[in-house]
Amino acid sequence: EAGVAQSPRYKIIEKRQSVAFWCNPISGHATLYWYQQILGQGPKLLIQFQNNGVVDDSQLPKDRFSAERLKGVDSTLKIQPAKLEDSAVYLCASKTPQGSNTEAFFGQGTRLTVV
Amino acid sequence: AQSVSQHNHHVILSEAASLELGCNYSYGGTVNLFWYVQYPGQHLQLLLKYFSGDPLVKGIKGFEAEFIKSKFSFNLRKPSVQWSDTAEYFCAVNARNYGQNFVFGPGTRLSVLP
Repeated sequence: EAGVAQSPRYKIIEKRQSVAFWCNPISGHATLYWYQQILGQGPKLLIQFQNNGVVDDSQLPKDRFSAERLKGVDSTLKIQPAKLEDSAVYLCASKTPQGSNTEAFFGQGTRLTVV
Repeated sequence: AQSVSQHNHHVILSEAASLELGCNYSYGGTVNLFWYVQYPGQHLQLLLKYFSGDPLVKGIKGFEAEFIKSKFSFNLRKPSVQWSDTAEYFCAVNARNYGQNFVFGPGTRLSVLP
């Protein structure tokens, strides 16, 4: 089966600019996650969707980050304005619905560098 | 809140050496446990998982892990590592009462010398 698709793979922006990342999960996966992975650390959850509803966005810096999953399939994550500390890899993952015992499948990630 | 700790930041081994990477988690309820691997330049891939049943689980590429509930541990083992095992290894916990997000440890970088 096709994996989780993310784009772009790399992005370099200046601080205070805006940036958007796109994710297409595995077909049929109702649960979608965005994680931030700073160099040398483990992935940290930013937001979790179940279909097009938000399950958990408690760790999303809402003053600058936003995410949506309008039709319950693709998702976009936006940062506006970006700060230097936002430099990280942004990972999208998906799994079958909440309550099921399955693993999450990860995309290749988008490496963001803020200069 | 859940948390995951991994005992070693960087492990260096020679080929054919045995490997054990430690993982401990904090959560009192029912958990699912995972080890993911990230090879250089690649995405996170699942090595193995534990949901219930036999606490000794086998994964891909000769890896295995043992869940010890009393110690809140899920250590990863491999009897003989290869150069191709050089990668970053992440332990993750998925606690059902917390909406099923995956909480990751900080990772252990494994370098295998040929």
